[in-house]
Amino acid sequence: QVQLKESGPGLVAPSQSLSITCSVSGFSLTNYGVHWVRQPPGKGLEWLGVIWAGGSANYNSALMSRLNIIKDNSKSQVFLKINSLQTDDTAMYYCVREYFFFDFWGQGTTLIVSS
Amino acid sequence: QIVLTQSPAIMSASPGEKVTITCSASSSVNYMHWFQQKPGTSPKLWIYSTSNLASGVPARFSGSGSGTSYSLTISRMEAEDAATYYCQQRYIYPPTFGGGTKLEIK
Repeated sequence: QVQLKESGPGLVAPSQSLSITCSVSGFSLTNYGVHWVRQPPGKGLEWLGVIWAGGSANYNSALMSRLNIIKDNSKSQVFLKINSLQTDDTAMYYCVREYFFFDFWGQGTTLIVSS
Repeated sequence: QIVLTQSPAIMSASPGEKVTITCSASSSVNYMHWFQQKPGTSPKLWIYSTSNLASGVPARFSGSGSGTSYSLTISRMEAEDAATYYCQQRYIYPPTFGGGTKLEIK
């Protein structure tokens, strides 16, 4: 069945960079786009970006200077890279499959930015 | 970008009561999607393309709307429906979410 699972470092110091991995199963990254969405504690959902089946990516314009999304189709993995982390980047980060709509979500991985 | 405004932000309903959550878009969109999120869990697709129930969603839920005004309705509230509901549009990039409606059971 379709599954997405995020993994990340958990705790990162301000100004550092990190990479969060989304490992997928039950479908091929060559056929579906994968989005990244984050949710700060107690707050709503914010779209970060997407990598399409063909490999191109689009980003939230407010964050695009700090974001990079890439993937490895052969390993069924998508990577979200964030530079210059700030305390307000603290959030749960989700990867989400798109099939005309956001149909399957991962369980999320918590990122805390703190010194 | 399209701004989605949900109302109310918080509400409570008694078992059996009819519930309506609205989502207003800053510009016209073709479709609206809805997600349900319970504490400590990831959002789940609940209603797609305005009025289609996702797999496993009870028939007491319905969605409607067009243009800039959309709604999610529960015909008879049940305890398991207590959750936060988010509307989302992906018709015009970037995809945007409403601020959420927290629905509680009385």
